[in-house]
Amino acid sequence: SAVISQKPSRDICQRGTSLTIQCQVDSQVTMMFWYRQQPGQSLTLIATANQGSEATYESGFVIDKFPISRPNLTFSTLTVSNMSPEDSSIYLCSVEGGTQYFGPGTRLLVL
Amino acid sequence: AQSVSQHNHHVILSEAASLELGCNYSYGGTVNLFWYVQYPGQHLQLLLKYFSGDPLVKGIKGFEAEFIKSKFSFNLRKPSVQWSDTAEYFCAVEGKLIFGQGTTLQVKP
Repeated sequence: SAVISQKPSRDICQRGTSLTIQCQVDSQVTMMFWYRQQPGQSLTLIATANQGSEATYESGFVIDKFPISRPNLTFSTLTVSNMSPEDSSIYLCSVEGGTQYFGPGTRLLVL
Repeated sequence: AQSVSQHNHHVILSEAASLELGCNYSYGGTVNLFWYVQYPGQHLQLLLKYFSGDPLVKGIKGFEAEFIKSKFSFNLRKPSVQWSDTAEYFCAVEGKLIFGQGTTLQVKP
């Protein structure tokens, strides 16, 4: 199994600002995933981040809004740019290791 | 395209009642199927998974799920729920992990 930590665990941000969320895994993994869970809804995959290549974004998500870094096999960041209240969500990092493991999530509130 | 549909959005049961949560998927190829649980204030945990073999899969905490290929279903069951089973339950299908809408289970003590 993989142990995943995320920072920050929660934040309250002003409209128009950006927030970078960090994801750290206790083992080396090839694929890391970023999900969003909007209030009362299910999880939606934002993008897949492989080390050494550009992230692959799902329909409806773009790099300018959600830039992702993957500098090594244990770490990734997701930035939520130019935030609006609609970006208020829980953002989850996930890794694949036989099955998918999820981080505790970052709860974001945009005012 | 892959999709997952969970029929029950909010289920309320009394303790010791039996549970069945429906999950149907749409996917053209070989599927890997999962049930995840999210307890209040906690992060997602894997309950059980199906990759191949015996279609009746047993997971943690007494949960099981049956893969019925002809019905494109992967329903979650538990013969007797406990108050501690109160949580959000998500069915998911792989290639890329696609989640159903989730089912909120509330168990009354």
